[in-house]
Amino acid sequence: AQKVTQAQTEISVVEKEDVTLDCVYETRDTTYYLFWYKQPPSGELVFLIRRNSFDEQNEISGRYSWNFQKSTSSFNFTITASQVVDSAVYFCALSESTGANSKLTFGKGITLSVRP
Amino acid sequence: DSGVTQTPKHLITATGQRVTLRCSPRSGDLSVYWYQQSLDQGLQFLIQYYNGEERAKGNILERFSAQQFPDLHSELNLSSLELGDSALYFCASSVGGAGNQPQHFGDGTRLSIL
Repeated sequence: AQKVTQAQTEISVVEKEDVTLDCVYETRDTTYYLFWYKQPPSGELVFLIRRNSFDEQNEISGRYSWNFQKSTSSFNFTITASQVVDSAVYFCALSESTGANSKLTFGKGITLSVRP
Repeated sequence: DSGVTQTPKHLITATGQRVTLRCSPRSGDLSVYWYQQSLDQGLQFLIQYYNGEERAKGNILERFSAQQFPDLHSELNLSSLELGDSALYFCASSVGGAGNQPQHFGDGTRLSIL
């Protein structure tokens, strides 16, 4: 069975601070996919990134960066120079590639508050 | 805007009632997923359809059912509603049904049972 753990429940930072959101996953599959989603106060779920299990290259997109480490089963998300608009709940999710089931298994989410 | 449309945005009803939630996937997407988000359970997968056929089931209650129509829109039917069914229900869609494809979510339907 697959599992995603986001041990941090709430993080509060002051604007312009860097913040890292942790994600640890469990799966028996050798091929799988990891995702991050953002849920702002308005409630929608916004797709941020997908990472394949066979590609451990880190990725940077503007102020966002992701660190995937297969050895520690982690897929951490860093926001550099945080802004108030980054305040949201962030979910890490896992999807397995085998079989017909491509459901997302989500972590419990991390509530990030960025104070001005 | 994800391109996934869910209606209605809010539903308020009473215990024992039946409701239907509707989802239109992004243009070109064949797969539709339903998720339930509640405070105690978090985001839970309910069911997936691919091109009109049921593909996978999660922890969906027997009181809940869904279908995907030929035009690819989907409906989630919830019956004999209980207080514990109050939650945010999301629909998501993806191009195919494979795990490597990002799922794009609608804005959700907030269901409140009084």
